[in-house]
Amino acid sequence: GAGVSQTPSNKVTEKGKYVELRCDPISGHTALYWYRQSLGQGPEFLIYFQGTGAADDSGLPNDRFFAVRPEGSVSTLKIQRTERGDSAVYLCASSLSGTGGSPLHFGNGTRLTVT
Amino acid sequence: EDQVTQSPEALRLQEGESSSLNCSYTVSGLRGLFWYRQDPGKGPEFLFTLYSAGEEKEKERLKATLTKKESFLHITAPKPEDSATYLCAVQAGGGSTLGRLYFGRGTQLTVWP
Repeated sequence: GAGVSQTPSNKVTEKGKYVELRCDPISGHTALYWYRQSLGQGPEFLIYFQGTGAADDSGLPNDRFFAVRPEGSVSTLKIQRTERGDSAVYLCASSLSGTGGSPLHFGNGTRLTVT
Repeated sequence: EDQVTQSPEALRLQEGESSSLNCSYTVSGLRGLFWYRQDPGKGPEFLFTLYSAGEEKEKERLKATLTKKESFLHITAPKPEDSATYLCAVQAGGGSTLGRLYFGRGTQLTVWP
């Protein structure tokens, strides 16, 4: 079946601009996650949704970052006033449930470059 | 603070030369330990979940084991197509942080013919 889909695959933006990154999870998966990965590092947790609500947003670095999942399926990560330090690969993942060791299935990410 | 450490950072093997990757962790209340494979430009691909000490899982040339403090990913007779970065992650605790995974930095494996 279809896996996790992320668009765009690449995004180049200027410092100070606003960007939106989209994630379409595996059908039927209730839990959705956003991670950020810098070169040579493991993925770093940003936010986790269970259904429509953010169950844990403690990984968001500051209030420029915001994510929504209004209908419990597609999610959008929004970054305001982008900075060069925001450049990274933003990964989305989904799982059947957010508890009990259910594995996360990742998309191929959006590579964000802030110039 | 919860922590996941992987070693070595990089490993070069000749085709057929077996070896092991290590993942050590310090978390409270382990709920699951996950191994992922990541190819360049791709997202992590799920390999295994281990839930309790003593558990083992196998898939083709890969075998994952778990103790109370660490996990090993054993690679038997590797082939060049096994070249990738292998990531370890743990899910732990409870409450609002239960859903997140804590990742290590990964081991970059290169298998040459």
